[in-house]
Amino acid sequence: NAGVTQTPKFQVLKTGQSMTLQCAQDMNHNSMYWYRQDPGMGLRLIYYSASEGTTDKGEVPNGYNVSRLNKREFSLRLESAAPSQTSVYFCASSEGQPQHFGDGTRLSIL
Amino acid sequence: AQSVTQPDIHITVSEGASLELRCNYSYGATPYLFWYVQSPGQGLQLLLKYFSGDTLVQGIKGFEAEFKRSQSSFNLRKPSVHWSDAAEYFCAVGVDSNYQLIWGAGTKLIIKP
Repeated sequence: NAGVTQTPKFQVLKTGQSMTLQCAQDMNHNSMYWYRQDPGMGLRLIYYSASEGTTDKGEVPNGYNVSRLNKREFSLRLESAAPSQTSVYFCASSEGQPQHFGDGTRLSIL
Repeated sequence: AQSVTQPDIHITVSEGASLELRCNYSYGATPYLFWYVQSPGQGLQLLLKYFSGDTLVQGIKGFEAEFKRSQSSFNLRKPSVHWSDAAEYFCAVGVDSNYQLIWGAGTKLIIKP
């Protein structure tokens, strides 16, 4: 089973460029999540989607947008990338608890 | 506000020694409790979870954790660590019906040969 698949795995952007991170899950989960991970700060929730057709802001939504394309897919978009958005981004899915994670996207903004 | 504290940023133990990683949470009711492990360059893997019932829970890779309500703690233990246990460990607490998690900052485990 693939579980949660994130693409790309690595990306380097210049300040001001836009980018969409893709996430797909094959576990038929209703809920999906986007986190960012920064050293010493654990994981911080950017946006989540409790079910298909709904999205809600998490702890750190500024500078990001999301789309729940269908039950399987949940994308994260950076419209105008900033160096402060350099991070590792994780997508997760769940049906209740626990959450299941992808391998992450390592994003650097120059 | 709800919070999760992992007091130790780094812990170094010798291979074969016992391990205890601390986790304390702040929440009014009994939460869902989780420990995840992250190997370098990898995603997060669930080690174990507590929802209700027996306060000592067994997980994968020989780990266990004990929920102590009176201390608001959920400490992770392993009787004998292996070099492959070197990783970062995260405690998380689930507190609402949207299944969001609140995360600790993580503890990096270093194994001495």
